[in-house]
Amino acid sequence: AQSVAQPEDQVNVAEGNPLTVKCTYSVSGNPYLFWYVQYPNRGLQFLLKYITGDNLVKGSYGFEAEFNKSQTSFHLKKPSALVSDSALYFCAVRNPRGGSQGNLIFGKGTKLSVKP
Amino acid sequence: NAGVTQTPKFRILKIGQSMTLQCTQDMNHNYMYWYRQDPGMGLKLIYYSVGAGITDKGEVPNGYNVSRSTTEDFPLRLELAAPSQTSVYFCASSVGAPYNEQFFGPGTRLTVL
Repeated sequence: AQSVAQPEDQVNVAEGNPLTVKCTYSVSGNPYLFWYVQYPNRGLQFLLKYITGDNLVKGSYGFEAEFNKSQTSFHLKKPSALVSDSALYFCAVRNPRGGSQGNLIFGKGTKLSVKP
Repeated sequence: NAGVTQTPKFRILKIGQSMTLQCTQDMNHNYMYWYRQDPGMGLKLIYYSVGAGITDKGEVPNGYNVSRSTTEDFPLRLELAAPSQTSVYFCASSVGAPYNEQFFGPGTRLTVL
């Protein structure tokens, strides 16, 4: 069965410091991987995705993520955190196969808190 | 472009009542989805549609029904509301290929008492 794990419920970072939000996955074959962000009382917004190719992908608002196939991880990173980055972050995985196996599976979310 | 819109924003239902959550997208996306978000649980897929006239069950379809008569609209129906359906409901849409990102609406917060 496909699954996504976000091992940290909350990550606390000081403004200006680098941040990492962790994600590991379990899916057969080569997955499609996504990061979404949710601000309070809002829907999810797409940040970035890995489909194929370069393991380091860059996305919106200065975020990037590194795909590591051997560790089945897709950690989200940013070199210098901003207070405005405080939000709930979701990792999601999709099996490239179609049908119900191709549905997007979300992690439980990690709350990022950036303090001034 | 309004993107994905959902109505209502909030609703309180009594046990056994029914209601329809509305979802509309103006991006001409063929795929549409309904998710529910419970605290600390991430999003779970309720139903999805790959085009007008075609719908299929997701992970948690029990207690819900959907229809897709047009490309733009994908309403979610709750027939006999139960407290277990208290949740935040999100509609999303995407262009068909599985590597494309989904666009989400602002959500409907539903409480069943």
